[in-house]
Amino acid sequence: EIVLTQSPATLSLSPGERATLSCRASQSISSYLAWYQQKPGQAPRLLIYDASNRATDTPARFSGSGSGTDFTLTISSLEPEDFAVYYCQQGSHWLTFGGGTKVEIK
Amino acid sequence: EAQLVEYGGGSVKPGGSLTLSCAASGFTFSNVWMSWVRQAPGKGLEWVGRIKTTAGGGTTEYSAPVKGRFTISRDDSKNTLSLQMSSLKTEDTAVYYCTTDFKQGYQGSWGRGTLVTVSS
Repeated sequence: EIVLTQSPATLSLSPGERATLSCRASQSISSYLAWYQQKPGQAPRLLIYDASNRATDTPARFSGSGSGTDFTLTISSLEPEDFAVYYCQQGSHWLTFGGGTKVEIK
Repeated sequence: EAQLVEYGGGSVKPGGSLTLSCAASGFTFSNVWMSWVRQAPGKGLEWVGRIKTTAGGGTTEYSAPVKGRFTISRDDSKNTLSLQMSSLKTEDTAVYYCTTDFKQGYQGSWGRGTLVTVSS
C-alpha cells in the first residue's frame, strides 16, 4: 500500500498569507495525485488533480506541483473561506489518502 | 451538475448487516465509475471501493479492510449505487460518501454522506 504523509499536521496562518502544504508518497506515484478541501460538517471537494490541474471552480490562488514522491499545494493568499482541512490522495496503485493538514486562523 | 444523495445509514450491532444506497442525478450515471469513501468520526478519509461502468465490465475493487465483507453494485436503470455491508465491526463506524470516480481514481463529486454506527 502506498502511504501518503502530509505535513505539517496543522498550519496556523493569517488571512492574506501564503500557505504551503506538503504531501510525500512512500513510493513514486508519477503525477497521479489529487488535493481535496474539507470544511467542518461538509463533504470534501476536489481542488487539484494530476498534481497540478485545477478542478472546475477551483480559484486560481490554489496551485499544485510535484511529481514522483513529493508534492505541494500552495494557496497564494489565504481568504477567510480557505481555512479548512486539506487531504492529498493518490491514484497510482489503488487509492489512498493522506492524513490531512488543518489550516487554521492564527 | 452532478448530485449524489446517500441514504440507508443507521445503527447496527457488531456482526450485523446494512445496505447503503446512493441516488445519482445531473449526469449520465451509466458512463461513470463510482466509489464509496468513508470517514470515521474525527478522522481522515478512507477509500472503501469502486465499481467500473457496466459497459466496462462492472468490475469492483475493494480496500483491504472491507474486502470480503462489503459488496458494491449499481443499477444503471435507476441511477443508483449500492453498498452492501456485512459482518460489520465497530471500526466500520463512519460517514459513508458516494463519489464519482474519474481518471486515476480522483473523486470528482461527493454526496453529503450517511452515518453508519456499529455499536453493541
